[in-house]
Amino acid sequence: GENVEQHPSTLSVQEGDSAVIKCTYSDSASNYFPWYKQELGKRPQLIIDIRSNVGEKKDQRIAVTLNKTAKHFSLHITETQPEDSAVYFCAASGGSNYKLTFGKGTLLTVNP
Amino acid sequence: KAGVTQTPRYLIKTRGQQVTLSCSPISGHRSVSWYQQTPGQGLQFLFEYFSETQRNKGNFPGRFSGRQFSNSRSEMNVSTLELGDSALYLCASSLSRGQAGETQYFGPGTRLLVL
Repeated sequence: GENVEQHPSTLSVQEGDSAVIKCTYSDSASNYFPWYKQELGKRPQLIIDIRSNVGEKKDQRIAVTLNKTAKHFSLHITETQPEDSAVYFCAASGGSNYKLTFGKGTLLTVNP
Repeated sequence: KAGVTQTPRYLIKTRGQQVTLSCSPISGHRSVSWYQQTPGQGLQFLFEYFSETQRNKGNFPGRFSGRQFSNSRSEMNVSTLELGDSALYLCASSLSRGQAGETQYFGPGTRLLVL
């Protein structure tokens, strides 16, 4: 089955810096890669997603890149703000697989 | 549109008991997936239902079961509870136009504590 590895597990940055979180997946049939943000005590919320027919997608300060050949995708947050502090999860699904397989999560702390 | 809702939000049970959790998807969404979230294992897939049929199942023992009703609402049941079943149980719904790789929207979760 699909396996998703996520790094780093914790990331601390200064406000205004950029943050990058990387994920690799194992199933070449996967074609959908969402990123979720989960604040303490709250539900995971979709922040951006990308499909395998696209190499990059951007939404304001957030961008995701996908390298299908290497089977890895990354989340980029620019001009970080304290409210970006949360746990971020990457996930993969697709092919005959209706489930989301999640990475272990990255705890991002943005220091003011 | 109202988001995904789950009831109850919090639950305390003792070992050996059983529990039923409920999930109401976003209106018009036909697929419901269930996930278990724990600090050690992260988010793990339990099962997914579409049109009252289980399409996918994760690697959990048979004590974990679920079902979906004709209005797309779903329930999951855990029998003979163990201490290790303490977790946040999340459900997620998607439109499901018959293809894999669709956006899933999560409910607030049910936090289960087994004593």
